[in-house]
Amino acid sequence: DAGVIQSPRHEVTEMGQEVTLRCKPISGHDYLFWYRQTMMRGLELLIYFNNNVPIDDSGMPEDRFSAKMPNASFSTLKIQPSEPRDSAVYFCASSFVQGEQFFGPGTRLTVL
Amino acid sequence: KQEVTQIPAALSVPEGENLVLNCSFTDSAIYNLQWFRQDPGKGLTSLLLIQSSQREQTSGRLNASLDKSSGRSTLYIAASQPGDSATYLCAVVYGNNRLAFGKGNQVVVIP
Repeated sequence: DAGVIQSPRHEVTEMGQEVTLRCKPISGHDYLFWYRQTMMRGLELLIYFNNNVPIDDSGMPEDRFSAKMPNASFSTLKIQPSEPRDSAVYFCASSFVQGEQFFGPGTRLTVL
Repeated sequence: KQEVTQIPAALSVPEGENLVLNCSFTDSAIYNLQWFRQDPGKGLTSLLLIQSSQREQTSGRLNASLDKSSGRSTLYIAASQPGDSATYLCAVVYGNNRLAFGKGNQVVVIP
Protein backbone atom coordinates (compact mmCIF):
# COMPACT_ATOMS: atom_id res chain seq x y z
CA ASP A 1 0.00 0.00 0.00
CA ALA A 2 1.20 3.54 -0.77
CA GLY A 3 0.31 4.79 2.68
CA VAL A 4 -1.74 7.90 3.41
CA ILE A 5 -1.58 10.31 0.48
CA GLN A 6 -2.02 14.06 0.84
CA SER A 7 -2.13 16.82 -1.73
CA PRO A 8 -0.88 19.36 -2.31
CA ARG A 9 2.39 19.06 -0.37
CA HIS A 10 2.83 22.81 -0.30
CA GLU A 11 0.28 25.58 -0.68
CA VAL A 12 0.91 29.31 -0.69
CA THR A 13 -2.14 31.53 -0.90
CA GLU A 14 -3.26 35.03 -0.07
CA MET A 15 -5.47 35.98 2.80
CA GLY A 16 -9.13 35.64 1.95
CA GLN A 17 -8.68 32.86 -0.60
CA GLU A 18 -10.25 29.43 -0.32
CA VAL A 19 -7.91 26.53 0.39
CA THR A 20 -8.74 22.85 -0.09
CA LEU A 21 -6.52 20.09 1.26
CA ARG A 22 -6.99 16.50 0.16
CA CYS A 23 -6.35 13.11 1.71
CA LYS A 24 -6.56 9.50 0.61
CA PRO A 25 -6.42 7.10 3.57
CA ILE A 26 -4.96 3.61 3.58
CA SER A 27 -7.36 1.17 1.98
CA GLY A 28 -9.39 -0.73 4.57
CA HIS A 29 -8.94 1.80 7.34
CA ASP A 30 -12.19 2.98 8.89
CA TYR A 31 -10.93 6.01 10.80
CA LEU A 32 -9.60 9.21 9.26
CA PHE A 33 -8.11 12.11 11.22
CA TRP A 34 -7.13 15.68 10.35
CA TYR A 35 -4.42 17.36 12.47
CA ARG A 36 -2.70 20.73 12.46
CA GLN A 37 0.87 21.27 13.64
CA THR A 38 2.37 24.60 14.64
CA MET A 39 5.45 25.52 16.64
CA MET A 40 3.35 27.20 19.31
CA ARG A 41 0.63 24.60 19.81
CA GLY A 42 2.20 21.37 18.60
CA LEU A 43 -0.09 18.76 17.03
CA GLU A 44 -3.82 19.36 17.43
CA LEU A 45 -6.66 17.10 16.36
CA LEU A 46 -9.11 19.05 14.22
CA ILE A 47 -11.72 16.46 13.28
CA TYR A 48 -12.05 12.72 12.74
CA PHE A 49 -14.35 10.41 10.83
CA ASN A 50 -15.44 6.82 11.37
CA ASN A 51 -16.84 5.01 8.33
CA ASN A 52 -17.07 8.37 6.52
CA VAL A 53 -19.17 9.96 9.30
CA PRO A 54 -17.75 12.90 11.29
CA ILE A 55 -17.50 11.83 14.92
CA ASP A 56 -15.83 14.75 16.67
CA ASP A 57 -15.19 18.17 15.17
CA SER A 58 -14.60 19.98 18.44
CA GLY A 59 -11.04 20.77 17.39
CA MET A 60 -12.07 22.73 14.32
CA PRO A 61 -11.01 26.28 15.19
CA GLU A 62 -13.97 28.14 13.69
CA ASP A 63 -16.63 28.12 11.03
CA ARG A 64 -14.11 28.97 8.36
CA PHE A 65 -12.94 25.35 8.57
CA SER A 66 -14.97 22.47 7.16
CA ALA A 67 -14.20 18.83 6.36
CA LYS A 68 -15.94 16.20 4.31
CA MET A 69 -15.50 12.53 3.60
CA PRO A 70 -17.74 11.62 0.64
CA ASN A 71 -16.42 8.06 0.47
CA ALA A 72 -14.00 5.70 2.18
CA SER A 73 -11.07 6.70 0.00
CA PHE A 74 -11.21 10.49 0.01
CA SER A 75 -11.50 13.41 2.41
CA THR A 76 -11.10 17.17 2.13
CA LEU A 77 -10.36 19.93 4.59
CA LYS A 78 -11.44 23.37 3.41
CA ILE A 79 -10.59 26.77 4.80
CA GLN A 80 -12.67 29.68 3.55
CA PRO A 81 -11.63 32.44 3.83
CA SER A 82 -8.05 31.73 4.81
CA GLU A 83 -6.13 33.94 7.24
CA PRO A 84 -2.38 34.23 8.00
CA ARG A 85 -2.88 32.52 11.39
CA ASP A 86 -4.01 29.39 9.52
CA SER A 87 -0.43 28.90 8.33
CA ALA A 88 0.67 25.48 9.59
CA VAL A 89 1.35 21.93 8.51
CA TYR A 90 -1.86 19.94 8.12
CA PHE A 91 -1.65 16.17 8.51
CA CYS A 92 -4.11 13.48 7.62
CA ALA A 93 -3.92 10.08 9.34
CA SER A 94 -5.88 6.85 9.18
CA SER A 95 -6.30 3.76 11.30
CA PHE A 96 -8.24 0.53 11.51
CA VAL A 97 -10.56 0.50 14.52
CA GLN A 98 -8.55 1.90 17.47
CA GLY A 99 -5.24 0.68 16.21
CA GLU A 100 -2.05 2.27 15.07
CA GLN A 101 -2.45 5.59 13.30
CA PHE A 102 -0.53 6.15 10.08
CA PHE A 103 0.21 9.68 8.99
CA GLY A 104 0.52 11.24 5.58
CA PRO A 105 3.45 13.51 4.64
CA GLY A 106 1.46 16.66 5.42
CA THR A 107 0.52 19.83 3.55
CA ARG A 108 2.53 22.92 4.44
CA LEU A 109 0.13 25.88 4.17
CA THR A 110 1.32 29.45 4.04
CA VAL A 111 -1.25 32.24 4.01
CA LEU A 112 0.19 35.62 3.09
CA LYS B 1 -9.21 16.73 29.06
CA GLN B 2 -6.21 14.48 28.43
CA GLU B 3 -2.85 16.25 28.63
CA VAL B 4 0.42 14.67 27.53
CA THR B 5 3.77 15.99 28.72
CA GLN B 6 7.23 15.19 27.45
CA ILE B 7 10.25 16.45 29.35
CA PRO B 8 12.87 17.57 28.47
CA ALA B 9 11.90 19.38 25.28
CA ALA B 10 15.40 18.87 23.89
CA LEU B 11 18.43 16.74 24.73
CA SER B 12 21.80 15.78 23.29
CA VAL B 13 23.64 12.53 23.87
CA PRO B 14 26.95 11.15 22.59
CA GLU B 15 26.77 8.36 20.07
CA GLY B 16 26.58 4.93 21.67
CA GLU B 17 24.75 6.04 24.79
CA ASN B 18 21.29 4.73 25.57
CA LEU B 19 18.46 7.22 25.13
CA VAL B 20 15.64 7.44 27.66
CA LEU B 21 12.60 9.54 26.77
CA ASN B 22 9.73 10.08 29.17
CA CYS B 23 6.05 10.72 28.56
CA SER B 24 3.32 11.38 31.12
CA PHE B 25 -0.43 11.67 30.69
CA THR B 26 -3.12 12.92 33.05
CA ASP B 27 -5.98 10.49 32.43
CA SER B 28 -5.14 6.80 32.82
CA ALA B 29 -8.26 5.71 30.90
CA ILE B 30 -6.45 5.16 27.61
CA TYR B 31 -6.87 2.56 24.85
CA ASN B 32 -3.29 2.61 23.71
CA LEU B 33 -0.14 4.71 23.53
CA GLN B 34 1.89 5.32 20.42
CA TRP B 35 5.44 6.63 19.95
CA PHE B 36 6.28 8.48 16.75
CA ARG B 37 9.40 9.87 15.17
CA GLN B 38 9.38 13.11 13.16
CA ASP B 39 12.30 14.34 11.08
CA PRO B 40 12.53 18.07 10.26
CA GLY B 41 9.99 19.06 7.62
CA LYS B 42 8.61 15.53 7.42
CA GLY B 43 5.57 13.61 8.55
CA LEU B 44 5.23 11.30 11.53
CA THR B 45 6.54 7.75 11.44
CA SER B 46 5.00 5.29 13.87
CA LEU B 47 7.62 3.51 16.00
CA LEU B 48 5.71 1.48 18.56
CA LEU B 49 2.13 0.96 19.67
CA ILE B 50 1.41 -0.30 23.19
CA GLN B 51 -2.09 -1.50 23.98
CA SER B 52 -3.48 -0.48 27.37
CA SER B 53 -3.29 -4.11 28.52
CA GLN B 54 0.41 -4.37 27.70
CA ARG B 55 3.38 -3.37 29.81
CA GLU B 56 5.95 -3.00 27.05
CA GLN B 57 6.65 -3.35 23.37
CA THR B 58 9.94 -3.91 21.58
CA SER B 59 11.20 -3.34 18.05
CA GLY B 60 14.90 -3.72 17.34
CA ARG B 61 16.82 -1.21 19.45
CA LEU B 62 13.59 0.39 20.64
CA ASN B 63 11.70 -0.57 23.76
CA ALA B 64 8.68 1.22 25.16
CA SER B 65 7.12 0.61 28.55
CA LEU B 66 3.72 1.62 29.82
CA ASP B 67 2.56 2.13 33.40
CA LYS B 68 -1.06 3.09 32.93
CA SER B 69 -1.88 3.50 36.60
CA SER B 70 0.81 6.12 37.09
CA GLY B 71 0.23 7.72 33.68
CA ARG B 72 3.74 7.14 32.34
CA SER B 73 5.53 5.69 29.37
CA THR B 74 9.23 5.48 28.62
CA LEU B 75 10.94 4.99 25.27
CA TYR B 76 14.40 3.43 25.39
CA ILE B 77 16.70 3.57 22.39
CA ALA B 78 19.75 1.37 22.86
CA ALA B 79 23.19 2.33 21.57
CA SER B 80 22.10 5.59 19.96
CA GLN B 81 23.35 6.53 16.50
CA PRO B 82 23.49 9.90 14.70
CA GLY B 83 20.61 8.66 12.53
CA ASP B 84 18.42 8.59 15.64
CA SER B 85 18.50 12.40 15.74
CA ALA B 86 14.88 13.51 15.38
CA THR B 87 11.88 14.62 17.41
CA TYR B 88 10.08 11.83 19.26
CA LEU B 89 6.39 12.28 19.99
CA CYS B 90 4.24 10.39 22.44
CA ALA B 91 0.48 10.14 21.88
CA VAL B 92 -2.36 8.47 23.77
CA VAL B 93 -5.69 7.26 22.40
CA TYR B 94 -8.52 7.95 24.79
CA GLY B 95 -12.23 8.67 24.87
CA ASN B 96 -13.91 8.13 21.53
CA ASN B 97 -10.69 7.26 19.67
CA ARG B 98 -9.19 10.72 20.22
CA LEU B 99 -5.41 11.05 20.03
CA ALA B 100 -3.61 13.53 22.30
CA PHE B 101 0.03 14.37 21.57
CA GLY B 102 2.89 15.62 23.68
CA LYS B 103 5.05 18.41 22.27
CA GLY B 104 7.92 16.01 21.70
CA ASN B 105 11.54 15.42 22.72
CA GLN B 106 14.01 16.86 20.22
CA VAL B 107 17.01 14.54 20.24
CA VAL B 108 20.50 15.15 18.88
CA VAL B 109 22.98 12.27 18.88
CA ILE B 110 26.51 13.64 18.71
CA PRO B 111 29.00 11.57 16.67
